Amino acid sequence: DAKTTQPTSMDCAEGRAANLPCNHSTISGNEYVYWYRQIHSQGPQYIIHGLKNNETNEMASLIITEDRKSSTLILPHATLRDTAVYYCIVRSANFGNEKLTFGTGTRLTIIP
Amino acid sequence: DSGVTQTPKHLITATGQRVTLRCSPRSGDLSVYWYQQSLDQGLQFLIQYYNGEERAKGNILERFSAQQFPDLHSELNLSSLELGDSALYFCASSVAGQGWTEAFFGQGTRLTVV
Repeated sequence: DAKTTQPTSMDCAEGRAANLPCNHSTISGNEYVYWYRQIHSQGPQYIIHGLKNNETNEMASLIITEDRKSSTLILPHATLRDTAVYYCIVRSANFGNEKLTFGTGTRLTIIP
Repeated sequence: DSGVTQTPKHLITATGQRVTLRCSPRSGDLSVYWYQQSLDQGLQFLIQYYNGEERAKGNILERFSAQQFPDLHSELNLSSLELGDSALYFCASSVAGQGWTEAFFGQGTRLTVV
């Protein structure tokens, strides 16, 4: 699976959009970009995923560059409950290789 | 609630002992994944089962073993426990064979070895 690079930590003011970047320059054509978050020591929570098109759901938006070498997770109106570690993961779509490989993630702190 | 159930939530045991962690996947999910999260290692993939068969293996120690039963629940067995095995152990489940689906995680079992 391709490796990802994320900033170690970020702060964002409550109510503002939080933009979390991720580099995955070695991503291959059949690998998806997934975002998960982990609040304190809870189980990781799925946020969103995409292949090459931008995606949006009720939690966030995912913007993937045209060359697919980087992406940005956008939380449109951050709240204090969004404080968590956010993981960008590249995951193969190949049958039998569905595991998620977590990196160190970005610790996002929402500031009141 | 992710639909993935892990028991017990907390476990305290002594070095050298053996414990079993249990995971019930979401209804309909055939794949189960086990992860270990310790303070200095982050989330480490241990092993994946699909419909009762081992599908992928990560950095799982020989002292650890897992299995998935016909009703699709899974158990992770940890033996000859050492202090360094103290960690959060997470189970996740997903619909297997389709890489575009998400995996859902349970709330974990916190293992403390004393």
